Amino acid sequence: GENVEQHPSTLSVQEGDSAVIKCTYSDSASNYFPWYKQELGKRPQLIIDIRSNVGEKKDQRIAVTLNKTAKHFSLHITETQPEDSAVYFCAASEPGGSYIPTFGRGTSLIVHP
Amino acid sequence: GEEVAQTPKHLVRGEGQKAKLYCAPIKGHSYVFWYQQVLKNEFKFLISFQNENVFDETGMPKERFSAKCLPNSPCSLEIQATKLEDSAVYFCASSPAGGAQHFGDGTRLSIL
Repeated sequence: GENVEQHPSTLSVQEGDSAVIKCTYSDSASNYFPWYKQELGKRPQLIIDIRSNVGEKKDQRIAVTLNKTAKHFSLHITETQPEDSAVYFCAASEPGGSYIPTFGRGTSLIVHP
Repeated sequence: GEEVAQTPKHLVRGEGQKAKLYCAPIKGHSYVFWYQQVLKNEFKFLISFQNENVFDETGMPKERFSAKCLPNSPCSLEIQATKLEDSAVYFCASSPAGGAQHFGDGTRLSIL
């Protein structure tokens, strides 16, 4: 089955800095990679996703890059703000198969004002 | 509805009692998923449904856990003879075929 590794487990940055979270996956058949943000005590919310036919996708301060050859994808947050503080999860799934995404273990991002 | 609705928000049970959690998926979403999230944040997949049919139940501890998604009813996750280690937040998510999962607010289950 799919295995998703996520690093780092904790990331502390100063407001205004950039933050990068990296994930690797094992199943070359995976072709859909969502990222979720979960604030304390709240539901995970999809913030950006990418499919395997593109290498990069951007939405304002958030971008995701995908390297299919190396089987890794990354979340980039620029100009971080205190409200970006949350746990971020990456996931990989093969929509043609079971549709069940495999989640990484999460990265706790702390943005210091 | 436009959001996944989970009830109750918080459920407290004594060890050995039964617990039943409910989830109303977003209308039009054909897939429903249940996850267990414990303190370390990791999502443990339990079971998924395609409409009312079990799609994948490889994560379910079958001896005590069961789940259903019946037509015109909320989906449910039931735990018999609860144990202390069942204490967790249980998330339900729904998705259209090949699309992103949308999560509910979760049910916090506390076993005393």
